[in-house]
Amino acid sequence: GAGVSQSPRYKVAKRGQDVALRCDPISGHVSLFWYQQALGQGPEFLTYFQNEAQLDKSGLPSDRFFAERPEGSVSTLKIQRTQQEDSAVYLCASSLVRGGSYGYTFGSGTRLTVV
Amino acid sequence: SQQGEEDPQALSIQEGENATMNCSYKTSINNLQWYRQNSGRGLVHLILIRSNEREKHSGRLRVTLDTSKKSSSLLITASRAADTASYFCATDYGGSNYKLTFGKGTLLTVNP
Repeated sequence: GAGVSQSPRYKVAKRGQDVALRCDPISGHVSLFWYQQALGQGPEFLTYFQNEAQLDKSGLPSDRFFAERPEGSVSTLKIQRTQQEDSAVYLCASSLVRGGSYGYTFGSGTRLTVV
Repeated sequence: SQQGEEDPQALSIQEGENATMNCSYKTSINNLQWYRQNSGRGLVHLILIRSNEREKHSGRLRVTLDTSKKSSSLLITASRAADTASYFCATDYGGSNYKLTFGKGTLLTVNP
């Protein structure tokens, strides 16, 4: 596609519910990143994929967070047993080259609200 | 934790004026990038400046980098109401650390 597509755009989850957030990167983009953005803050790194390999997951806040990119294109960020502190915008970004040294293309994000 | 810090946190100007935002960071970088975020939307990449560059231009944007002071500035000339957005600087450490580290952003409001 022309850009990075994320779905759903908005998600309301009851505390304790599992959620899955989807990211469709630009076709052919090697690198894929997930970021979490709390209200009024800048994005914070969660995890990085190079093709299907998850090279860095140091930003995932707990073992309730899990990300995958099994075929090196679409990625899913899964949050198990959601908590109120998980409420944030989850941003996906992709890059044609390894890493982000030439800038990323971001999706519009998924706004997750845990009630 | 967030590496960069933008200054000011908020800036309000009149259309046609110039807007200057500053960013400071703490450790050596490979490059520094500026992004814009409109309310409720994703981030848009504006400009990238490498550690061996001092100034870069793109349209109405001018970015400077002072590695000795670990700081950068973004100048938007002849601002327009459509420039109203949050602006973030993001640092890339390079090497095997692929992630960008963002600051908290500057909220720019351009009044018509």
